[in-house]
Amino acid sequence: NAGVTQTPKFRVLKTGQSMTLLCAQDMNHEYMYWYRQDPGMGLRLIHYSVGEGTTAKGEVPDGYNVSRLKKQNFLLGLESAAPSQTSVYFCASDSLAGAAYEQYFGPGTRLTVT
Amino acid sequence: GDSVTQMEGPVTLSEEAFLTINCTYTATGYPSLFWYVQYPGEGLQLLLKATKADDKGSNKGFEATYRKETTSFHLEKGSVQVSDSAVYFCALPSSNFGNEKLTFGTGTRLTIIP
Repeated sequence: NAGVTQTPKFRVLKTGQSMTLLCAQDMNHEYMYWYRQDPGMGLRLIHYSVGEGTTAKGEVPDGYNVSRLKKQNFLLGLESAAPSQTSVYFCASDSLAGAAYEQYFGPGTRLTVT
Repeated sequence: GDSVTQMEGPVTLSEEAFLTINCTYTATGYPSLFWYVQYPGEGLQLLLKATKADDKGSNKGFEATYRKETTSFHLEKGSVQVSDSAVYFCALPSSNFGNEKLTFGTGTRLTIIP
């Protein structure tokens, strides 16, 4: 049981380049989330999905797009990277069964934009 | 909106010391409350939770009691170990997003010295 996996683990981009981060979960969870973690800021929600084919904006959605074509995958895209998007990105999933709110997190992707 | 406030870190303690990490919340009603932990180089994982007022959550020697009178959910451990070194996050469901998302505090970094 792999849980939540993220690829890649590290990436360096130049300003203006694009990339896609992939999140996959094998727990059949309906809900998936993308967060960014910056020093002193905690975790901030970028986008989330409440099921296959759905997406919704979180607290800091600007500059990012997402897609959930398959239930197990949640992709985060940066169309034109900026230095302000240097961060550690975490994906998480949850079943929200019984409002349990036990989110399962991936190991993170460290992104540097120069 | 709903929010949590954690004590500022970092916190450095000697092994076997008593630990308290403060967390207070602002919310409508009486939401469930959570503590998540992030070990170095990993994603967050649920440490403990309490689903109603006066409940005590516990796990791995850590405890937290849901106190509605003081709107607090402080994390405690009687005797910390080096392996407890991590970042600790208090969290609650956010009504801003239909209770489908968690709002996290900024995190408290704990370092235990042998």
